[in-house]
Amino acid sequence: DTAVSQTPKYLVTQMGNDKSIKCEQNLGHDTMYWYKQDSKKFLKIMFSYNNKELIINETVPNRFSPKSPDKAHLNLHINSLELGDSAVYFCASSQVPTNGDTQYFGPGTRLTVL
Amino acid sequence: QKEVEQDPGPLSVPEGAIVSLNCTYSNSAFQYFMWYRQYSRKGPELLMYTYSSGNKEDGRFTAQVDKSSKYISLFIRDSQPSDSATYLCAMSANSGAGSYQLTFGKGTKLSVIP
Repeated sequence: DTAVSQTPKYLVTQMGNDKSIKCEQNLGHDTMYWYKQDSKKFLKIMFSYNNKELIINETVPNRFSPKSPDKAHLNLHINSLELGDSAVYFCASSQVPTNGDTQYFGPGTRLTVL
Repeated sequence: QKEVEQDPGPLSVPEGAIVSLNCTYSNSAFQYFMWYRQYSRKGPELLMYTYSSGNKEDGRFTAQVDKSSKYISLFIRDSQPSDSATYLCAMSANSGAGSYQLTFGKGTKLSVIP
């Protein structure tokens, strides 16, 4: 069973388009996250979300928005895509509060903006 | 100064060698320290987790935390070709409301040569 899954695995699109990436976790966790990993492999938090609170990394452009239809899903919507948005996007989940924040990651979505 | 510094490598060692991976950090509020392993084109997976200062051993892996020096290490004994991956250190502090945010190092790419 896949604990954290993402779709699609690959996404190639034109500048200016709007796209979504879906994430689902079957771990029963309360909190989900989106990360961006750039070409230099640096993994940076974008959002963390549970049913009480959305925490946004202040460096994330407002073209990015998380949408959570329920506790097991956190989708990422991106409007007006730009070349610099090309990266691998990872979804993750954790049970909070827990021992710190041990997170479980999905396989990633490789986004290429042309 | 970045919050978490990690030498990106790459690091290449012969099979059977002892590998030492390190991170330094500046935020004294960090309480939980983790090492993630990321294989090529996969999501990060939690390898080791420690709380506060001290050592933790799991098979061939040993994690050390020295909070006084703001320095953490991961040692891999009898390294195997299957250990070839990027190793990311991560650490977290309470960001309020009982939630934690992970801050990652840039990752060290390790290759174990047969």
